[in-house]
Amino acid sequence: DVKVTQSSRYLVKRTGEKVFLECVQDMDHENMFWYRQDPGLGLRLIYFSYDVKMKEKGDIPEGYSVSREKKERFSLILESASTNQTSMYLCASSFGTGGSSNNSPLHFGNGTRLTVT
Amino acid sequence: AQSVAQPEDQVNVAEGNPLTVKCTYSVSGNPYLFWYVQYPNRGLQFLLKYITGDNLVKGSYGFEAEFNKSQTSFHLKKPSALVSDSALYFCAVRSAGRRALTFGSGTRLQVQP
Repeated sequence: DVKVTQSSRYLVKRTGEKVFLECVQDMDHENMFWYRQDPGLGLRLIYFSYDVKMKEKGDIPEGYSVSREKKERFSLILESASTNQTSMYLCASSFGTGGSSNNSPLHFGNGTRLTVT
Repeated sequence: AQSVAQPEDQVNVAEGNPLTVKCTYSVSGNPYLFWYVQYPNRGLQFLLKYITGDNLVKGSYGFEAEFNKSQTSFHLKKPSALVSDSALYFCAVRSAGRRALTFGSGTRLQVQP
């Protein structure tokens, strides 16, 4: 069974801090994603990566960056945390390198609830 | 561009009754459509997908969804609801030229005993 592990379940940070959210998957998936989930807005894509050291901006990349140095690990970085980044952050991974394999199901972690004060 | 609309924030249904959770989409070209479910304090789980072929797609836990191209809809259905189906349901779409899914705002399903 695929396991996507997010390093923290709950995190509280201060405004202006640099924040790292870590995600590790154990199924050798090529694709990894970071979404944020907010009530009434659903899931919004921040960044994704389809290969090591490759990244693409999603719909709301402002204020975030990512790092994928190893295939199994995808980190989300908040360069200078702000209160409007208080949210639930979901990491996901999927198999495939393009074409029809882009329709492989996403496997999600349990999420990190980040509060910025 | 790709987008998804889930017009109902919440759907209430009695146990044993049929349920429908609505989803409409907008994409350029052919859509690839998905349903995911989120149980309390859990990550999202894949339910089913439509890629091509038969318009009626069957998935996990007795759920099915019907793709309707003319109405650009992909409604989730189940003939007989269970209390354990109570959860948050997300519809998602991907167009052929995009690598990532766009999710809807979610619909909370409450099944009353």
